[in-house]
Amino acid sequence: DADVTQTPRNRITKTGKRIMLECSQTKGHDRMYWYRQDPGLGLRLIYYSFDVKDINKGEISDGYSVSRQAQAKFSLSLESAIPNQTALYFCATSDGLGHYFGPGTRLTVL
Amino acid sequence: QQQVKQSPQSLIVQKGGISIINCAYENTAFDYFPWYQQFPGKGPALLIAIRPDVSEKKEGRFTISFNKSAKQFSLHIMDSQPGDSATYFCAASNAGKSTFGDGTTLTVKP
Repeated sequence: DADVTQTPRNRITKTGKRIMLECSQTKGHDRMYWYRQDPGLGLRLIYYSFDVKDINKGEISDGYSVSRQAQAKFSLSLESAIPNQTALYFCATSDGLGHYFGPGTRLTVL
Repeated sequence: QQQVKQSPQSLIVQKGGISIINCAYENTAFDYFPWYQQFPGKGPALLIAIRPDVSEKKEGRFTISFNKSAKQFSLHIMDSQPGDSATYFCAASNAGKSTFGDGTTLTVKP
């Protein structure tokens, strides 16, 4: 099923470009998150939102921004992409307990 | 600051054997401890979870053992199967925020 969807699934871009990753969910959860996954480093929290008017920085928010357009939509932007932002990005929702992850976006910054 | 330490980094088990993955945490405010399973090209999926007032939880072949005094918890996969080959993440949560371990890559040999 596709309770949490992410677009695009893959993206190659150049240094300095602005990139937006989008996330939509049909689970009806208020809580949404953006994580970054790098080999051997697990999942690191970029930003999270507990409702439409709530935005919070995670542990690695520098170079990123987010927008919570609606309960179901949470987008992540890289204002000026750099090569060390090459990674796998996951959106997730939560019912306050476990997380429900999207399929991920593989971003490559050249 | 590594708040959740996971070991081993990789694990190879024969079919039918027991796979054991361990995690240790530091923050006693954590109140929910989920495990996630991730297959290549997919997002992590919630597998099983436990609260600190319970010492063990079993779901099918998967069991979480929890030691509150030692601040440790582990995932046991009984009768491991090749289809269990994946990356497993432990996490510790509080107030809607989760901290993840770095992951364990499990390979089950036929």
